[in-house]
Amino acid sequence: QSVLTQPPSVSATPGQKVTISCSGSSSNIGNNYVSWYQQLPGTAPKLLIYEDNKRPSEIPDRFSGSKSGTSATLGITGLQTGDEADYYCGTWDSSLSKVFGGGTRLTVL
Amino acid sequence: QVQLVESGGGVVQPGRSLRLSCAASGFSFSSYGMNWVRQAPGKGLEWVAVIWYDGSNEYYADSVKGRFTISRDNSKNTLYLHMNSLRAEDTAVYYCARGLTSGSYTILGYWGQGTLVTVSS
Repeated sequence: QSVLTQPPSVSATPGQKVTISCSGSSSNIGNNYVSWYQQLPGTAPKLLIYEDNKRPSEIPDRFSGSKSGTSATLGITGLQTGDEADYYCGTWDSSLSKVFGGGTRLTVL
Repeated sequence: QVQLVESGGGVVQPGRSLRLSCAASGFSFSSYGMNWVRQAPGKGLEWVAVIWYDGSNEYYADSVKGRFTISRDNSKNTLYLHMNSLRAEDTAVYYCARGLTSGSYTILGYWGQGTLVTVSS
């Protein structure tokens, strides 16, 4: 059971927008920045979003992040088949550990 | 460019020990916090440990506390994970990951390709 809660799967068609939620508590998301990671099949994870809503320079602006209270959301617009991957949220917790969500598998139909 | 290369994985019996290494290049290793993250087969990511840029602080997941030790040798640009009393549930791909910036220890900006540890008799 992960500390952060994500939906196991989401799906959408090419060109559409999808959102992935990440729910936590005041011990983690409520008082710390959230980051998001993309893991393409068979590869290492990659940082997509950090400090709730910032993108590394190489990440296209189709990817966005937001946070409200103890929940965070990853948004992806203009979906492409290459976006099919597992997505994880992560943050620091008051237990002095980094915690991840269980991951969300995105299927682009 | 930033490069992280893990090594040391393999098959080990329960209760035995193993040391993983992560060779870093392409950046000033001694300026960045470093992490280990693992992923059991078919499962999600689990953070394992972090060590400060100068080794002055270390934090661990409860699941490995007292059994695993993270360390670094800044003169060799290498990160280590010493794993003792291994259990079947420690079976996973182990990734080393660098903090995004010199002050962001657990924003995992760069990842290695991972090394597989299998704990089995």
